[in-house]
Amino acid sequence: DVKVTQSSRYLVKRTGEKVFLECVQDMDHENMFWYRQDPGLGLRLIYFSYDVKMKEKGDIPEGYSVSREKKERFSLILESASTNQTSMYLCASSPPHKFTGELFFGEGSRLTVL
Amino acid sequence: SQQGEEDPQALSIQEGENATMNCSYKTSINNLQWYRQNSGRGLVHLILIRSNEREKHSGSLRVTLDTSKKSSSLLITASRAADTASYFCASPNDYKLSFGAGTTVTVRA
Repeated sequence: DVKVTQSSRYLVKRTGEKVFLECVQDMDHENMFWYRQDPGLGLRLIYFSYDVKMKEKGDIPEGYSVSREKKERFSLILESASTNQTSMYLCASSPPHKFTGELFFGEGSRLTVL
Repeated sequence: SQQGEEDPQALSIQEGENATMNCSYKTSINNLQWYRQNSGRGLVHLILIRSNEREKHSGSLRVTLDTSKKSSSLLITASRAADTASYFCASPNDYKLSFGAGTTVTVRA
């Protein structure tokens, strides 16, 4: 079974702190994604990557950056956390062949920014 | 941008009853998918239906697709308490998958 592991289930940070959310997948997937999920808004795509060192902006990239130095790892970075970034963050991966859209998700990281 | 929108937002049913939720989307698709999310957890892929398919089954799930109306429905038959979750439809666009806000289903014992 594909396993997508997010390093922290729950984090509490202060405004202005730098935050790293780590995601690792063990199925050699080319594609990796970061979404945030907020009540009533569903999932919104922040960034995605279809290869090592490649990244593409999603629908809401402002305030975020990402890093993909190794194929299995995709990190989301909040350079200076703000309270409006309090959310559930979901990492996902998918295989490279003709993109069917089937994503494998991690368990999520719930971030609270005080 | 949201591609799929689910309806209703919430649904409460008795165990053993069927649950139906609908998804409408805006642009043409080559497939549409449904995911389930248990409270506080990640999403799990349930079923994919291609644009040239009208109906698909998986266990107690039945999905229909009407491309002329740009809509899909997910039916859970003979629901169980374990079906309590949020359900999302989504469709891929290039490398991206766009989700709606979901339907929250509560199955009462």
